[in-house]
Amino acid sequence: EAEVAQSPRYKITEKSQAVAFWCDPISGHATLYWYRQILGQGPELLVQFQDESVVDDSQLPKDRFSAERLKGVDSTLKIQPAELGDSAMYLCASSYDRGNSPLHFGNGTRLTVT
Amino acid sequence: LAKTTQPISMDSYEGQEVNITCSHNNIATNDYITWYQQFPSQGPRFIIQGYKTKVTNEVASLFIPADRKSSTLSLPRVSLSDTAVYYCLVGGYYGNNRLAFGKGNQVVVIP
Repeated sequence: EAEVAQSPRYKITEKSQAVAFWCDPISGHATLYWYRQILGQGPELLVQFQDESVVDDSQLPKDRFSAERLKGVDSTLKIQPAELGDSAMYLCASSYDRGNSPLHFGNGTRLTVT
Repeated sequence: LAKTTQPISMDSYEGQEVNITCSHNNIATNDYITWYQQFPSQGPRFIIQGYKTKVTNEVASLFIPADRKSSTLSLPRVSLSDTAVYYCLVGGYYGNNRLAFGKGNQVVVIP
């Protein structure tokens, strides 16, 4: 079964440093999502792409977070500068379309900011 | 937005049937109901999706009453490997509320 690939699996960084996460969705999936999950809570949507366009970034802290999906395939989420409160699991998901097709998640990047 | 409410946690013995209920009083006409399972340090995994009545696949059943204000995920004969957090989401075509995960339901299967 095809999977959503994410890297790195773990990342430790000092506060005020820049950090980036990469995601490669399932081939053919037009919709890509980035979620943040704090321990003990459900995933929180940060940004949603349809092909290369952002369709929802209302929950993305735009002063420090940015996301891109330049060719409508893989995507990068960046944080600059990182803060202690950014420590969380960052999950990428993709779906065939924006309708009812299920979300397929990667196994995430565990970020620790020290 | 159709908000979902689930119990926080529940325990069950191995081999029993587990039923997890989700309330979604404000579900819209076009909304579907989707359930996900999440193990520690992994992303959520799709389990089952339905619109009304009953849906069954190889791992679970989903029961949706006529008013669709709640749904019940049924896991038959659970094993220790079914210990996980279970999330229900509601949303329709182009409905962003389907992307809103609640806190989920922690199911612990006891030997």
